[in-house]
Amino acid sequence: GENVEQHPSTLSVQEGDSAVIKCTYSDSASNYFPWYKQELGKGPQLIIDIRSNVGEKKDQRIAVTLNKTAKHFSLHITETQPEDSAVYFCAAGGYQKVTFGIGTKLQVIP
Amino acid sequence: GAVVSQHPSRVICKSGTSVKIECRSLDFQATTMFWYRQFPKQSLMLMATSNEGSKATYEQGVEKDKFLINHASLTLSTLTVTSAHPEDSSFYICSAPSSRGSQETQYFGPGTRLLVL
Repeated sequence: GENVEQHPSTLSVQEGDSAVIKCTYSDSASNYFPWYKQELGKGPQLIIDIRSNVGEKKDQRIAVTLNKTAKHFSLHITETQPEDSAVYFCAAGGYQKVTFGIGTKLQVIP
Repeated sequence: GAVVSQHPSRVICKSGTSVKIECRSLDFQATTMFWYRQFPKQSLMLMATSNEGSKATYEQGVEKDKFLINHASLTLSTLTVTSAHPEDSSFYICSAPSSRGSQETQYFGPGTRLLVL
């Protein structure tokens, strides 16, 4: 099955700086790569996703890149704000079923 | 995006009792829903796939007789934790895929916090 590795496990940045979270996956058949933000005590919220026919996608301050050859994808958050502080999960798989990474706890320091 | 709700949001029960958790897709129909379990500071682990009108599919290591799943309609799936024990205490989250335009995306419920005393 799919195996997703995510790093770093924790990340602290100053407000206004950029944050980058990286993930690798093992199954070359995976074609869907969503990113979720989870705040304490809440369910995951989809923030951006990318499909295998696209190498990069951007939505305001958030961008995701995908390298299918190397089997890795990354989340980039620019101009970070305190409200970006949360746990971020990458995932890989198909549209119906995905495997999650371990999560990255992002802390944005005001 | 699409909306998925869960009820209850949190539940405390005594060891040995059964607890039912509901997952509803509020503005779309879902023939398939997914149930995850998340322990503190850990990732989401898929427990089972709930299929409307047929039996659920369980992941390896998940006891189907302990975690009963019923997908009674196109908008409702229920997870019943039978004879709950303290080690079943966890955050249970459901999800459902929904198509917006031509692309399908998974939407997650807010989760149910279960504490077994």
